[in-house]
Order: sequence, then C-alpha cells, then structure tokens
Amino acid sequence: GENVEQHPSTLSVQEGDSAVIKCTYSDSASNYFPWYEQELGKRPQLIIDIRSNVGEKKDQRIAVTLNKTAKHFSLHITETQPEDSAVYFCAASGVGNFNKFYFGSGTKLNVKP
Amino acid sequence: ETGVTQTPRHLVMGMTNKKSLKCEQHLGHNAMYWYKQSAKKPLELMFVYSLEERVENNSVPSRFSPECPNSSHLFLHLHTLQPEDSALYLCASSQERGPQPQHFGDGTRLSIL
Repeated sequence: GENVEQHPSTLSVQEGDSAVIKCTYSDSASNYFPWYEQELGKRPQLIIDIRSNVGEKKDQRIAVTLNKTAKHFSLHITETQPEDSAVYFCAASGVGNFNKFYFGSGTKLNVKP
Repeated sequence: ETGVTQTPRHLVMGMTNKKSLKCEQHLGHNAMYWYKQSAKKPLELMFVYSLEERVENNSVPSRFSPECPNSSHLFLHLHTLQPEDSALYLCASSQERGPQPQHFGDGTRLSIL
C-alpha cells in the first residue's frame, strides 16, 4: 500500500517568513494530494489540493508543488501570520480505491509574532 | 461549517461499558470513513463505507463495530475497550468516485478509564 512521509514534524518561523513542509509518497499510482490544517481541538480542514496533471497550484499565500518523478510534494506558506499556527497534514490518494487517503504524520507549525 | 456532525464531542467510559459514536453528513456524499487520531501518529483509517457497504476494515479489533444504515449516517459501536483506545475519533465523508476531498467532523474525544 501507499506510504506517506512528512517532514519536519515541527517548524517554528518568525511572522512574515515563509514555511515549507515536504511529503514523499511511495505509490506511483497516487494522483491526488490534499493538504489539511488542524487547529487545536478542531477538525482537519482542507486548505489546498493538487492533482497529478499539474505541477503547481496557488491560492493566495498558500501554494503546493508536485514532482511526480521524485514522488514528492510540498506546501509553501508565504508571509506567515500567528493565525497560521496549527498542525498541517499531507495525504495521497489514487483512483479506484474508494477514495482512501494515506496521511503523513503531521507538521506542527508555530508562527512567532 | 456543519456539513459533518459528530456526537458526542467527549466521551468517558469504563472498559466494560458499551457506547456508540454517531456521525451525520449533510453533503450528499456516498462514502463515509472512520479515523483514529492518537498523539504524534498519522490519522489511522479504520473503516470505509461506500454506498452503505463496508469496503475496508483496516485490521481493526472487533471491539470496534461500525454501522452504516444509510448514506447520511455512520455509527461506531464500542464495547470492552482498552486504555490504548483513548483517542480522537474522526468521521469524514466524500464522494465515492474519487479522488475527491474528504470533509471531516469535529471528532469525538474518547477516554477509557
């Protein structure tokens, strides 16, 4: 089955700096890669996703890049704000498996004011 | 957002008790999922229901028993749980024909005494 690894497990940045979180996956058949944000005590919320037919996607301060050859994808947050402090999870999914997601272990992002 | 609702939000039970967790989705989805979230671990997929049929049982002990009476409702029946079962239990839903985003509920925080 699919195996998703996520790094780093914790990340501290100064407000205004950029943050990058990286994930690798093992199954070349995976073709959908969502990112979720989970604030303390709250539900995971989808913040951005990318499909394997594109290499990059942006939504305001958030971007995701995908390298299918190397089987890795990254989340980029620019101009970080203290409100961005949360745990971020990457996941991978493929066609024909009832939309099962394989999650990374999470990155705790701390944005210092 | 009230698309996926889970009850109760918190549950404390003894190892000999029987209780049930409930999940309801109002998004018109036809696939539902149970996840276990423990500290410092990836989200662990427990069960997948597609069109009310269980299509995945991810080596979950029989003390966890899922039920999906219709496409909008999902239950997790609990009996004779162990202390290591204490965790956040998250329900999610999506369209069965993936890959598509999964939408999560707020979870039930379960503590086993």
